[in-house]
Amino acid sequence: EADIYQTPRYLVIGTGKKITLECSQTMGHDKMYWYQQDPGMELHLIHYSYGVNSTEKGDLSSESTVSRIRTEHFPLTLESARPSHTSQYLCASSGFGANVLTFGAGSRLTVL
Amino acid sequence: KQEVTQIPAALSVPEGENLVLNCSFTDSAIYNLQWFRQDPGKGLTSLLLIQSSQREQTSGRLNASLDKSSGRSTLYIAASQPGDSATYLCAVLDSNYQLIWGAGTKLIIKP
Repeated sequence: EADIYQTPRYLVIGTGKKITLECSQTMGHDKMYWYQQDPGMELHLIHYSYGVNSTEKGDLSSESTVSRIRTEHFPLTLESARPSHTSQYLCASSGFGANVLTFGAGSRLTVL
Repeated sequence: KQEVTQIPAALSVPEGENLVLNCSFTDSAIYNLQWFRQDPGKGLTSLLLIQSSQREQTSGRLNASLDKSSGRSTLYIAASQPGDSATYLCAVLDSNYQLIWGAGTKLIIKP
């Protein structure tokens, strides 16, 4: 079944640790996105990609980085986590010419 | 700069009632507007997408309308059920081809 997967679902780590949030989709979608969402707040785009080797920063400044080496994989990395990075991170994808987003279940990150 | 607002932030109604959720946006130059549903601890599910040239879209008990000139969209839910309890978000695809999101309306349907 075509879907989009995020791991880990929940993560609690200490300040200064390096973490990578994984996102994979099986739909062959060209476009992939990372959003950050705090409880009760709107989604903010932090990174997006329109295809392999294409990555762009979104409208929310983020200290994270992304890569797109394969179509199906779009990992997000924090080199040195801080408490201000505590949030939910949502990955999404959409097909060529389509505006409908498919979302993963999210990764809830807590930095102590 | 495009801004999207959803009022109220939370809504609680008895089961069986028809209800309307509101979404307003400040710039009428949009490509489309989408309504999503978000369940606690989960990702978002797309419910309806209305292109800028359309006035409404329907899916089952859901009906979404779009009035670009007034910068408003409504999501109508008929015969509400406890399973409809979730947070409903709207998002517009603006003239820069960026999705701008509202903060959502948390809906609780009481049995």
